[in-house]
Amino acid sequence: DAGVTQSPTHLIKTRGQQVTLRCSPKSGHDTVSWYQQALGQGPQFIFQYYEEEERQRGNFPDRFSGHQFPNYSSELNVNALLLGDSALYLCASSLDPEPSYNEQFFGPGTRLTVL
Amino acid sequence: AQTVTQSQPEMSVQEAETVTLSCTYDTSESDYYLFWYKQPPSRQMILVIRQEAYKQQNATENRFSVNFQKAAKSFSLKISDSQLGDAAMYFCAYRSAVNDMRFGAGTRLTVKP
Repeated sequence: DAGVTQSPTHLIKTRGQQVTLRCSPKSGHDTVSWYQQALGQGPQFIFQYYEEEERQRGNFPDRFSGHQFPNYSSELNVNALLLGDSALYLCASSLDPEPSYNEQFFGPGTRLTVL
Repeated sequence: AQTVTQSQPEMSVQEAETVTLSCTYDTSESDYYLFWYKQPPSRQMILVIRQEAYKQQNATENRFSVNFQKAAKSFSLKISDSQLGDAAMYFCAYRSAVNDMRFGAGTRLTVKP
């Protein structure tokens, strides 16, 4: 049973560029959440997708957008990259957004470096 | 706003000994869930243990147990018989039905052989 997978593993971009990160949820999961983890900090919630719609959103600007496909996989898009967007981006999947205690399974993350 | 605080940036424990990691949180909600996640150098976050706020009994998972003090808004993790494989970043996290997952800043645990 494949767990959560993310691609690419590493990515280097320059300021102003756009980037797309991809996530495939654990088999049987239908909910995908994205987190940004800056170096030395805990993950911060970006948004969550369920039934191809954004259900919850954290305190991130509109430059961060996402999409969920019918097969439950998801993409995170970041436009007009800033140096401060350099971080590890984590994807987590779960079965239904509720109840809240449903375990979120995390992927290995994508390390984004913005130069 | 819900916040999670881990006051110990780094902790160290001797192999086979016991260590306790601290976590406090701030919330006005009554129904919520608390988690401890482990993040080894491989970066993949792994759930260690979870606690439902409505349950008075402290959660236990093998060598891992929590001390949940709801009134004090404290949620500490105890690791017994520490093993070299326990070395990692440990994150305390909070989630409620209406709020997203909030993580603390983490505690780096070193296990000395």
